[in-house]
Amino acid sequence: EAQVTQNPRYLITVTGKKLTVTCSQNMNHEYMSWYRQDPGLGLRQIYYSMNVEVTDKGDVPEGYKVSRKEKRNFPLILESPSPNQTSLYFCASSLSDRHGYTFGSGTRLTVV
Amino acid sequence: AQSVTQLGSHVSVSEGALVLLRCNYSSSVPPYLFWYVQYPNQGLQLLLKYTSAATLVKGINGFEAEFKKSETSFHLTKPSAHMSDAAEYFCAVSSGNTPLVFGKGTRLSVIA
Repeated sequence: EAQVTQNPRYLITVTGKKLTVTCSQNMNHEYMSWYRQDPGLGLRQIYYSMNVEVTDKGDVPEGYKVSRKEKRNFPLILESPSPNQTSLYFCASSLSDRHGYTFGSGTRLTVV
Repeated sequence: AQSVTQLGSHVSVSEGALVLLRCNYSSSVPPYLFWYVQYPNQGLQLLLKYTSAATLVKGINGFEAEFKKSETSFHLTKPSAHMSDAAEYFCAVSSGNTPLVFGKGTRLSVIA
């Protein structure tokens, strides 16, 4: 089944403890993105990648890192999480900008 | 830079009534336009997309949208609302190898 898989689905962590949210797609898509969703703010892009080893900042990249060492994986790294990073995170992938993104099921992160 | 404005953060309609969700975009080049739906506690699902072919686009679940270049609009409609249409709807734009930019979303409530 064609899909974007994120893990974990839920995560509660403490301030400053490094974490990684994994994202993998099995559709051979070039484009991958990370978004965060907050009430009243919609989806805001954190980072995106249009090819292996190519990543760019989105609208809200502060406090996040990504890597794209291979086409299928695009992990999101929070080196020192803070409470304002408590949010619902989505990974998405696409063949191109005209195809629309396929979204993962989301990761609900709480930083205390 | 691209942007999307969704008019109305919350729309309420009666079951069987017309659904109209408004979306206006800003783009310096011909855009690709998308509508996504998010049901409670789920990820985003592509409803329909405009990629420079027919201006009236039909999507899943009886929804359609019309691209109007002169009005820079891409409003989503459905002739008759069903209870199962209650969800949050997002309009999004991309163009020319730029990442997908979302509006802030419109929550649709359907009243029996």
